[in-house]
Amino acid sequence: EPEVTQTPSHQVTQMGQEVILRCVPISNHLYFYWYRQILGQKVEFLVSFYNNEISEKSEIFDDQFSVERPDGSNFTLKIRSTKLEDSAMYFCASTRDRGTEAFFGQGTRLTVV
Amino acid sequence: KQEVTQIPAALSVPEGENLVLNCSFTDSAIYNLQWFRQDPGKGLTSLLLIQSSQREQTSGRLNASLDKSSGRSTLYIAASQPGDSATYLCAVSNTGGFKTIFGAGTRLFVKA
Repeated sequence: EPEVTQTPSHQVTQMGQEVILRCVPISNHLYFYWYRQILGQKVEFLVSFYNNEISEKSEIFDDQFSVERPDGSNFTLKIRSTKLEDSAMYFCASTRDRGTEAFFGQGTRLTVV
Repeated sequence: KQEVTQIPAALSVPEGENLVLNCSFTDSAIYNLQWFRQDPGKGLTSLLLIQSSQREQTSGRLNASLDKSSGRSTLYIAASQPGDSATYLCAVSNTGGFKTIFGAGTRLFVKA
């Protein structure tokens, strides 16, 4: 069964460093998303991406964050200068079409020290 | 601003029991509602998706209903099993379908 894959599964980084989280969405999906979940808290929407541009973003997704689809398969989330409060599980998701069933990756646990 | 609330926060039931998980949302202008399952430290698995024009969806022992006008959804699990133990999340997408807001989840424990 097709699945969304995320790498790495766990990333530890020093405060102030840049990190890139990678995702390979399901191949025939057109809409891509990033979410985060701080330990013990709700899953929070960060950004949605379609047709090589951001469709919608939350207030969390400030200038420190960016997304890119550098080729036909990868979808990346970059955090320019990490803060301690960026420590969370980051989930990538994709949908075939707008508003259809969302498939999530297993997540990348980001720890900022 | 859309807010999603799930009740109860936690639930412990004996195996075989039928149960209902509740979800409410404050803005009825939604595109769809989706129920997910999350196992500890893992990603989210989609269980059921209900479009805003639909009233319910069924998959196996699961049935989800949607009453958009009152801002409520329920997830019914029949004949619960220990393997159903997980956190169940309700999520609504806004009218554009691009942004999804999650509830905090109901943590379910099914005792053998």
